[in-house]
Amino acid sequence: RKEVEQDPGPFNVPEGATVAFNCTYSNSASQSFFWYRQDCRKEPKLLMSVYSSGNEDGRFTAQLNRASQYISLLIRDSKLSDSATYLCVELGGGSNYKLTFGKGTLLTVNP
Amino acid sequence: DTAVSQTPKYLVTQMGNDKSIKCEQNLGHDTMYWYKQDSKKFLKIMFSYNNKELIINETVPNRFSPKSPDKAHLNLHINSLELGDSAVYFCASSQGTVADTQYFGPGTRLTVL
Repeated sequence: RKEVEQDPGPFNVPEGATVAFNCTYSNSASQSFFWYRQDCRKEPKLLMSVYSSGNEDGRFTAQLNRASQYISLLIRDSKLSDSATYLCVELGGGSNYKLTFGKGTLLTVNP
Repeated sequence: DTAVSQTPKYLVTQMGNDKSIKCEQNLGHDTMYWYKQDSKKFLKIMFSYNNKELIINETVPNRFSPKSPDKAHLNLHINSLELGDSAVYFCASSQGTVADTQYFGPGTRLTVL
C-alpha cells in the first residue's frame, strides 16, 4: 500500500465551482501534513499546512482526520489560475522523518 | 534574485556518461535536498544535507553522489547514466529541519538516450 494516496483525477470544473480533493495516508505516526501545488512543468510550491483543527486560507480550506487517516482540500469559487496539480504531502516520524508526496491530483478549471 | 537555482535546466546525454547538476540557494537556509520526479510524476526524496552533513540518504544507487561544499550549495553527480535515470531532479532548501517549509528550485530535466 502506498504511503500517501490521492485520486489522480483529472478534475475538470467550471470557474466558480467548489471542488474537493481527498488524500489518505497509511502511517498513523505521521507528524504533519501539507498541500503543495505544482503547475505544469514547474516546481512544487507550498499551498498550505494542514492542522487537526482545520484551517482556512482565503478560498482554500484544509482538514485533517487522524482517526480515519485522511486529509482534504476544499477550493471554493475556483479560478482559472487554480489549474494545477495538487500534491498531498506527509511528514513522517522517527526514522521516516522526511516528506512523502502523493502522486497529485490534476485540476483544470475551465472558463 | 532567484531563491533556489539549479543548472542546467535541461540535460540530454548518452547512457554511460557522467554528469553533474548544481544547486544554490540564497535564502540562508541550513538544509538542502535532492528530489527525483519520474515519468509517473512521483516526487521522491533522494538526499538531504544539513549544514553540509548528510542527514537523509534514501535507497539510491551509489552512482548518485551528492556533494555540499558549503551550506548554500548542494550538487548532484551521477556516474554511468542509465535510461531509468531520465527524470526531473529538483533541489530544495528549508530553514532548519525537514518540517520547515521547503522551497524548490525550477528543476533539471535529465534525458538519457
